[in-house]
Amino acid sequence: DTGVSQNPRHKITKRGQNVTFRCDPISEHNRLYWYRQTLGQGPEFLTYFQNEAQLEKSRLLSDRFSAERPKGSFSTLEIQRTEQGDSAMYLCASSFNAYEQFFGPGTRLTVL
Amino acid sequence: GEDVEQSLFLSVREGDSSVINCTYTDSSSTYLYWYKQEPGAGLQLLTYIFSNMDMKQDQRLTVLLNKKDKHLSLRIADTQTGDSAIYFCAEGNDYKLSFGAGTTVTVRA
Repeated sequence: DTGVSQNPRHKITKRGQNVTFRCDPISEHNRLYWYRQTLGQGPEFLTYFQNEAQLEKSRLLSDRFSAERPKGSFSTLEIQRTEQGDSAMYLCASSFNAYEQFFGPGTRLTVL
Repeated sequence: GEDVEQSLFLSVREGDSSVINCTYTDSSSTYLYWYKQEPGAGLQLLTYIFSNMDMKQDQRLTVLLNKKDKHLSLRIADTQTGDSAIYFCAEGNDYKLSFGAGTTVTVRA
């Protein structure tokens, strides 16, 4: 499978705990994106990397959220001190150009 | 800011054509997209159109863009049961996609 992969697929955590998600993009893609999707809504942009540089961050990405892409390959998204409002599907996408974003299957986070 | 709107539901008979409509507000959008999402899955890129085009056809899919009215549509010919899914319209510039809330398409026999 050469598509975007995300792990874990599901995460259940208690409020106040930290969680970390991983995204492995398609191998030749230098651009990587994170989105969040809540029930009944379309995805909302969170952040964008070109290689290892984080070039854009949405105002949705509060200071409890941090994303990294240390070697320009995989990326991690960490949420500290989770809140119930963080429950959502976290989607990763990658691309080799400015306009074709390919999405992974997502990580569904449930905060109890 | 960006705002993409689409109708929430569409029911269509198998074999008929489906038309899903979308309006957007950002006149500087470079590309307009249609994505498909099946239950429990991520988003599948169906097709996209550059903002200086008015039509794009790809097998059973036809995209029409009216840039003046900021209106985008997706026509699916000969709709099949496998086309049942949520379809998202999105506008994009360089790195960021802004999505609508999605249209749930149900194909009935």
